[in-house]
Amino acid sequence: DGGITQSPKYLFRKEGQNVTLSCEQNLNHDAMYWYRQDPGQGLRLIYYSQIVNDFQKGDIAEGYSVSREKKESFPLTVTSAQKNPTAFYLCASSTTGPVRPQHFGDGTRLSIL
Amino acid sequence: QKEVEQNSGPLSVPEGAIASLNCTYSDRGSQSFFWYRQYSGKSPELIMSIYSNGDKEDGRFTAQLNKASQYVSLLIRDSQPSDSATYLCAVISTGANSKLTFGKGITLSVRP
Repeated sequence: DGGITQSPKYLFRKEGQNVTLSCEQNLNHDAMYWYRQDPGQGLRLIYYSQIVNDFQKGDIAEGYSVSREKKESFPLTVTSAQKNPTAFYLCASSTTGPVRPQHFGDGTRLSIL
Repeated sequence: QKEVEQNSGPLSVPEGAIASLNCTYSDRGSQSFFWYRQYSGKSPELIMSIYSNGDKEDGRFTAQLNKASQYVSLLIRDSQPSDSATYLCAVISTGANSKLTFGKGITLSVRP
């Protein structure tokens, strides 16, 4: 089945530690996105990529990094510089044509130990 | 800052009623509009998309778009308890690398 796979489902981070969230898609979508969702808040865009080897900062990129070495994969690293990482992280993908609804993975819930 | 605003909730309706969810957006040049449903603890699921003025119906759901007034709404007819969820409005604004901007969502509760 085509879809977006995020792993792990739950992740715990120790102080000073970097952690990487995985996102893989087999929808042949060019564009991929990372969002953060806090309780009672909408989705806030962290990073996005519209083509391999290129990505742009979203609204809240500080403390995060990404790479896009393959079309199918867009991993997100939450660095130790992100002081409040506890949130629900969502990866999405879409085509890059004029009509491009985004489809989401199941999310990763990150907490601080 | 391009904004998407949704009614403050939560919204509670009895089973079988029509639920009306509204959304306004600030970028007059926006072209694409989406409604997502998000159950508690789950990821958003696309339920409707609309690109031109007027109504678009899909089963019990109707999306309405009025670009002159800059609002988009979602009507849910014959509401069911399984419709209880948070509904997110999202808009693709104009400009290079157009991105989805989400509203904060409105929580709908359908009372049996």
